[in-house]
Amino acid sequence: AQSVTQLGSHVSVSEGALVLLRCNYSSSVPPYLFWYVQYPNQGLQLLLKYTTGATLVKGINGFEAEFKKSETSFHLTKPSAHMSDAAEYFCAVSDPTGSSNTGKLIFGQGTTLQVKP
Amino acid sequence: DVKVTQSSRYLVKRTGEKVFLECVQDMDHENMFWYRQDPGLGLRLIYFSYDVKMKEKGDIPEGYSVSREKKERFSLILESASTNQTSMYLCASSLYGWTGANVLTFGAGSRLTVL
Repeated sequence: AQSVTQLGSHVSVSEGALVLLRCNYSSSVPPYLFWYVQYPNQGLQLLLKYTTGATLVKGINGFEAEFKKSETSFHLTKPSAHMSDAAEYFCAVSDPTGSSNTGKLIFGQGTTLQVKP
Repeated sequence: DVKVTQSSRYLVKRTGEKVFLECVQDMDHENMFWYRQDPGLGLRLIYFSYDVKMKEKGDIPEGYSVSREKKERFSLILESASTNQTSMYLCASSLYGWTGANVLTFGAGSRLTVL
């Protein structure tokens, strides 16, 4: 069965500092991987996704993530945090073979990012 | 832009009441999902549907049922609400069928409080 673990339920950085949100997954096959963001009082929206090809994926708002198969990781980074980045971030994995409950995503527990002025 | 609309943003119900949460999407998506979001637990899948009148249980279906009579509408039903069903409920939809590359489009959520 697939699973996702996000290390750290809360991360606090200063404005302008590097953002690093950690995500590790467990999957028997190379998965598809996603990062979603949830701003206060809103639903989730896609930041970026990895399916195949280049392992460094760029998303919206300056975020990027790198798929590292050997480490079973998909950490999210941004070189310089902005106040507007304060939100909850979710890592998610899906099964690309369609063999298990097709198309559904398994989400991590979420990481709340706080950005201090 | 695809829009997923959840009709009720905030609901307060009493224990034992029947609760309907409605979700409508406007882009002809085949797949629709209901997730429950709780602090520290992330999102957990309750039910999903990949076609009209088709439904499959997710990870936590107990105490819930769903209905999909039309492609654009997916309803979550709590037959007899209990206090442990107090939560944020998120509806989502996606375009493609049997592929893991789906991108989910989420509604804004329905926050249910059961007293």
